[in-house]
Amino acid sequence: KQEVTQIPAALSVPEGENLVLNCSFTDSAIYNLQWFRQDPGKGLTSLLLIQSSQREQTSGRLNASLDKSSGRSTLYIAASQPGDSATYLCVRTGNAGKSTFGDGTTLTVKP
Amino acid sequence: EAQVTQNPRYLITVTGKKLTVTCSQNMNHEYMSWYRQDPGLGLRQIYYSMNVEVTDKGDVPEGYKVSRKEKRNFPLILESPSPNQTSLYFCASRLGATNTGELFFGEGSRLTVL
Repeated sequence: KQEVTQIPAALSVPEGENLVLNCSFTDSAIYNLQWFRQDPGKGLTSLLLIQSSQREQTSGRLNASLDKSSGRSTLYIAASQPGDSATYLCVRTGNAGKSTFGDGTTLTVKP
Repeated sequence: EAQVTQNPRYLITVTGKKLTVTCSQNMNHEYMSWYRQDPGLGLRQIYYSMNVEVTDKGDVPEGYKVSRKEKRNFPLILESPSPNQTSLYFCASRLGATNTGELFFGEGSRLTVL
C-alpha cells in the first residue's frame, strides 16, 4: 500500500527562520507531487506542483524539490512569516488517478 | 474565475436521511474526485472519475455513491448517512485523466450526521 509520510508533524519557529518540511513516499512510480497549504477549517490552496520529470519548482519564498529515487520531496520556506502559519500537505499522484495525501505538517511561525 | 464549487458548505442531518453534496467545476476538467478529511486520518479518497460515465472506488467508498453524467458535475450521494460519515468533504478536479497536472480543490463541505 502506498504510504506518504510527513515529518515533522508539527513545527514552531521564530519569524525570519528558513525551514524545511519533508515528505516521503514508498512507491517511486510517481506522476507528480503537489504541495498544499490548509488554514484551520478552510480549503486547500495549491502551492507547488512538481512533475515526475522535474527536480524542483520555485514560487516566491517557496522551493519544492523531488527525488524519486529516494522517495522524497522537501518544501523549503525562506524567511518565514507569521502568515505562513498553516498546515502543509503533500500529495503523491501515481497510477490510475490515485492520489495519496500525507498527514501534514502544522507550522507555527511566532512573531 | 476558474473554480470548483461545492454545496452545501455546511450541513447537519440525521441518520438515514439521504443527502447529496454537489460538486461543479468550470474548467472543463476530465478528472474529478471526492475526499474526506478526519482528524488523525488525514485526507482519504472516496471515489474518483477519469471522465464522463467513468467512476472508480478510492480508499473509503463504503456508504457513498457518485455519478458523472456530465463533465462539469460530480455529486456525492449518501443514501443512508450514519454518524461515522461526519466529516469534512472535499471535491477536487484536474485537467487530464493521465495523472499529470495540478489538483484544484473546492472549499469543503462540513457534514454532521446525528
